[in-house]
Amino acid sequence: AQSVTQPDIHITVSEGASLELRCNYSYGATPYLFWYVQSPGQGLQLLLKYFSGDTLVQGIKGFEAEFKRSQSSFNLRKPSVHWSDAAEYFCAVGQNSGNTPLVFGKGTRLSVIA
Amino acid sequence: KAGVTQTPRYLIKTRGQQVTLSCSPISGHRSVSWYQQTPGQGLQFLFEYFSETQRNKGNFPGRFSGRQFSNSRSEMNVSTLELGDSALYLCASSTGHPSGETQYFGPGTRLLVL
Repeated sequence: AQSVTQPDIHITVSEGASLELRCNYSYGATPYLFWYVQSPGQGLQLLLKYFSGDTLVQGIKGFEAEFKRSQSSFNLRKPSVHWSDAAEYFCAVGQNSGNTPLVFGKGTRLSVIA
Repeated sequence: KAGVTQTPRYLIKTRGQQVTLSCSPISGHRSVSWYQQTPGQGLQFLFEYFSETQRNKGNFPGRFSGRQFSNSRSEMNVSTLELGDSALYLCASSTGHPSGETQYFGPGTRLLVL
């Protein structure tokens, strides 16, 4: 069965600093990988996804993520964080066959300080 | 296109009551998934419907049920509410493959059980 680990429960960064949120997954075949963001009181919004091809994926709001099969990781990065990026970030893994649901990590809460 | 809508947005119930939540997917989407989100457990999959049929079910007691109508709108019902059912209930829609496609989330229904 698939599983997702987001090792960092809470991260605080200064505005303008770079950001990396970690995500490790467990899945036997090539996974479908997603990053979602949730602002307070809101639903989840897709930031980016990886299905195949180029392992460096660009998303919205200046985010990118890199799929590293050897490390079973799909870390999210942003070169310069803005105060509006403060939110909760969820990594999720799916598969390209069958109708199994997405499996989400427990999330990383990002705080941005001036 | 209009996004995923959920009604009501907020709900307060007492223990033992039942509740029905509604989700209208994006037009053309036939798959609707439901999730329960709590601070301690994160996002937990409840069930997924496609063309009025439940295709997947998470590990929740039988008090949690759902259905989907011919227009793809979905409802979930929780009977005999318990304090632990207090959560944000999210629904998400996709065209057909919940694990292999982008899921679009609604804003959620926040349920408080007193």
